[in-house]
This record gives sequence, structure tokens and C-alpha cells, in this order.
Amino acid sequence: ETGVTQTPRHLVMGMTNKKSLKCEQHLGHNAMYWYKQSAKKPLELMFVYNFKEQTENNSVPSRFSPECPNSSHLFLHLHTLQPEDSALYLCASSQDGHKTPEAFFGQGTRLTVV
Amino acid sequence: QKEVEQNSGPLSVPEGAIASLNCTYSDRGSQSFFWYRQYSGKSPELIMFIYSNGDKEDGRFTAQLNKASQYVSLLIRDSQPSDSATYLCAVNGGRGSTLGRLYFGRGTQLTVWP
Repeated sequence: ETGVTQTPRHLVMGMTNKKSLKCEQHLGHNAMYWYKQSAKKPLELMFVYNFKEQTENNSVPSRFSPECPNSSHLFLHLHTLQPEDSALYLCASSQDGHKTPEAFFGQGTRLTVV
Repeated sequence: QKEVEQNSGPLSVPEGAIASLNCTYSDRGSQSFFWYRQYSGKSPELIMFIYSNGDKEDGRFTAQLNKASQYVSLLIRDSQPSDSATYLCAVNGGRGSTLGRLYFGRGTQLTVWP
């Protein structure tokens, strides 16, 4: 079983829907991340949380809203998305953001916006 | 703009050969370097990390780092068909970057044929 679990694995949503992606890590890590992976593009960092505090919002549109209630859980709330937001959304965690930045990824949520 | 460059490939090698994957990065302040393997339809899996100049070996994998030349490479000895995947190079951001921020290359697609 992976140390980082994401649900759902697949999601199809309309442009007017509201949905949430969930990530849970069982590794005792203190940093969590959201990445977006689109075809033919490098992994794009979206949000970083260190010890539950958001430390980076990488110019992400407001239709994506992260939430980190504790160091083990991370959510990405989605609303009024566009078709170009269709991608693989990956959650990752690391021990911390400085001394041990090695990131471990969840299995991802394949999102399709119709 | 912090950039990580990789040859997109595809790189094709016969079974048993050495596969050599290369990566260059733009931020001289970067301190941590990672190689991830991503099978089609799956999430990235951390396979190697290196912090110091020189070589680091783990089984059939060797990571090589040259900070002066700003490149990092991954050698896969005795390549197997199961090594066929996309290999992502990632670099920890240096000074001025959010702690834990990783910059990814586009990945090199490796095919090992029997």
C-alpha cells in the first residue's frame, strides 16, 4: 500500500460542478504538495504546505482552492473548471521542505472536465 | 526562471546495455537532485537522490552529479524491459525558492527492447 493515498482515482466533472480531491499520507511527513501533470509538459507545482502552513501558491487560478487541516491530509477544492484543467493531479509529501526534501507521490487523480 | 532540461527521447537500448540519461539545470544554488521513474498511467516513483558531487550507486542505478557543470545523470546498468518508462529529473530550488520546491524536467522516455 502506498504511503500517499489519493481519492478519487478518476473524476469527470462539468464546468459548473464543485468537487474535491483528497490526499492522505501515512508517512509522518510534514510537507505536502499538489502538482499538475499535463501531456507534454513538466510537472507543475501548484501548492506547498509546510507544517500545515501554505508556503507557496504558484500563480494558480482561484478556481483551485487547497485546504490542509492537518499534516496528514490535503484537499484540493475545484469549482467552475475549464476543459484545459483536465490533467493528472498528483499529491506528494516529504519529511520536511528543507533537510529531507525527497517527495513521495500518490497515485494521482485523473481529472476530465467536460 | 529556474529550468531543468532533459532530452525527451525516446531513448532506446537493448536488454543488458547501459542506459544513460542526462539532465541540466539552471539554478546554481540547487542542492538536491532527484530521479523519478514514471510508468505510463502511473505516478512518479523516487528511485535515486544525490546531494554531493560525484557518484552514488544503488543496485543497477548510478546517479552522477557535477555542480560545476550543472548536470546530473542517471546510469542504468544491465537494462531490463521492465526499466522502460519515463525518467524525470527534479532539482530542489536554491536560494530564494520555497523550501521543498522541486523543479521537474519534461522527462526522458526510455525503451529497453529484448
